Amino acid sequence: EAEVAQSPRYKITEKSQAVAFWCDPISGHATLYWYRQILGQGPELLVQFQDESVVDDSQLPKDRFSAERLKGVDSTLKIQPAELGDSAMYLCASSQPGQGPNTGELFFGEGSRLTVL
Amino acid sequence: AQKVTQAQTEISVVEKEDVTLDCVYETRDTTYYLFWYKQPPSGELVFLIRRNSFDEQNEISGRYSWNFQKSTSSFNFTITASQVVDSAVYFCALFGNEKLTFGTGTRLTIIP
Repeated sequence: EAEVAQSPRYKITEKSQAVAFWCDPISGHATLYWYRQILGQGPELLVQFQDESVVDDSQLPKDRFSAERLKGVDSTLKIQPAELGDSAMYLCASSQPGQGPNTGELFFGEGSRLTVL
Repeated sequence: AQKVTQAQTEISVVEKEDVTLDCVYETRDTTYYLFWYKQPPSGELVFLIRRNSFDEQNEISGRYSWNFQKSTSSFNFTITASQVVDSAVYFCALFGNEKLTFGTGTRLTIIP
């Protein structure tokens, strides 16, 4: 069964360092999402891509976070510099045409857990 | 602004018991969608069910059932004859006004 791949699964870094997370969505899924899930809370959308274009990045802290999906396939989420409050699970999801947050049919990866010391 | 409240932070039940997870929502939209997701220890969220705001019919899928009541703004999830594999964090979510909002989740532990 096709899966959304994410790496690394775990990342420990010191504050002020740079970190990057990678996501490879399910083949054919044009829409890609990055969510942040703080411990004990539900996921919150950071950025949404349609192919290589950003559709929604209103909740992305742009002073330190950046995201790209250059070829409309895999995506990278970067944090620079990392802060203590960035400790969270970063989840990537993808959806195919006709599906998405309105249908609930998002396919999630296993996430990248970030710990900032 | 829309909001989803899952008041039960953690629930533990003995295997084979029935358990109900509560979800209460707030929205000003007349058209909206409600969902439940399961997040096992591996981390990925798994979509379980969707209901739209115009369909209050309850649904049953195997051991799972969902009760949607607009009058009380609730969308509760019941697992019948629970099994250890049901142990996970369960999230209720609401889509309205182009935004998907998750609750804070309920951690369910099934004790063998």
